Amino acid sequence: DAGVIQSPRHEVTEMGQEVTLRCKPISGHNSLFWYRQTMMRGLELLIYFNNNVPIDDSGMPEDRFSAKMPNASFSTLKIQPSEPRDSAVYFCASSRGDIANTIYFGEGSWLTVV
Amino acid sequence: EDKVVQSPLSLVVHEGDTVTLNCSYEVTNFRSLLWYKQEKKAPTFLFMLTSSGIEKKSGRLSSILDKKELSSILNITATQTGDSAIYLCAVSSSNTGKLIFGQGTTLQVKP
Repeated sequence: DAGVIQSPRHEVTEMGQEVTLRCKPISGHNSLFWYRQTMMRGLELLIYFNNNVPIDDSGMPEDRFSAKMPNASFSTLKIQPSEPRDSAVYFCASSRGDIANTIYFGEGSWLTVV
Repeated sequence: EDKVVQSPLSLVVHEGDTVTLNCSYEVTNFRSLLWYKQEKKAPTFLFMLTSSGIEKKSGRLSSILDKKELSSILNITATQTGDSAIYLCAVSSSNTGKLIFGQGTTLQVKP
């Protein structure tokens, strides 16, 4: 079975540019999560969706960040404009059910903003 | 505010040693506690615990939950260099749908 698929795997961009990260959850999973991981702050939940609807976006750091889930098999996380402090690994994860049980992570998008 | 705290933050041991990693939590309407192992890439699932006192075991790894103490431990016996990783503890609440992660314990096993 295919796991959670993220793209791009690595992205290096200049400050001020728009960055779009993409995620395809595991088929049949109806909850999707975006996490950010840094050395300083560990894994932070940015936003999660249930049945394509954003349930909690309290972790989104500021208005420069936005996320969408137009259908059950695709989600995007956009940063516009990007800043060096956004450099991190961004993980997408999915789970089955209305309440998070075991969630499965993608391999992450490694973002560097210079 | 819900939170998960792990200790120690880092640990260096030698092959063959036994290690115990700790996780404590404060969460409204606790549902489950999960342990993940993260090597170079994505966290991979180890255990999910929902009931107190019932040990989950997989090879040299085991874990147990204490709901009274709001904590869990992860034990690794006869450690190997391949056990070197970040071990993450996460807790879910039945109120929300999300997992809250601790900051992780970085384990280094030296030959």
